[in-house]
Amino acid sequence: KQEVTQIPAALSVPEGENLVLNCSFTDSAIYNLQWFRQDPGKGLTSLLLIQSSQREQTSGRLNASLDKSSGRSTLYIAASQPGDSATYLCAVISNSGYALNFGKGTSLLVTP
Amino acid sequence: GAGVSQTPSNKVTEKGKYVELRCDPISGHTALYWYRQSLGQGPEFLIYFQGTGAADDSGLPNDRFFAVRPEGSVSTLKIQRTERGDSAVYLCASSPLAGSLEQYFGPGTRLTVT
Repeated sequence: KQEVTQIPAALSVPEGENLVLNCSFTDSAIYNLQWFRQDPGKGLTSLLLIQSSQREQTSGRLNASLDKSSGRSTLYIAASQPGDSATYLCAVISNSGYALNFGKGTSLLVTP
Repeated sequence: GAGVSQTPSNKVTEKGKYVELRCDPISGHTALYWYRQSLGQGPEFLIYFQGTGAADDSGLPNDRFFAVRPEGSVSTLKIQRTERGDSAVYLCASSPLAGSLEQYFGPGTRLTVT
């Protein structure tokens, strides 16, 4: 069974810092990996999707990388802002199915 | 265009009652998924539809849970004899069946069983 782990569980940084969120998965036979943002009491917003043949994706201040062989992905946030405060979830679709397997998330707080 | 919608946004019910949660996927998305998210946890897979049929229901916790998608669009998640442990946010997502399989999520239904 695919297990997804996110480190750290919580992170607090001052505004303007660059930061890295980590995600690891146990089965490298994945179809794709998605990073989501979840605001309190809200649904999930897709940030970036990396297909298994890709190594990274970028959107604005966000950059996600994928190292499938080592079972790792990182989400890099540049020049963090208070509006980036949210929970960030990593999820993978294994080759054996269509369902997303999620980590528990990293709760990010960016202080002014 | 319109995203995934879910109704109701909040549902409070008494233990033992029956509830139905509705999901309207993005138009044209063949695949539909239900997930459940407990406090402090990531979403957990419940069931996946391809068109009208449930292609994978391995995540349903027990036979009190059932879901349908009779016309290949709207889906209803049905929970019989609700228990306090069923309290969670129920999330629906849809995706195309080809390409990246990127999943788009609705806002969720928060179910509270008292």
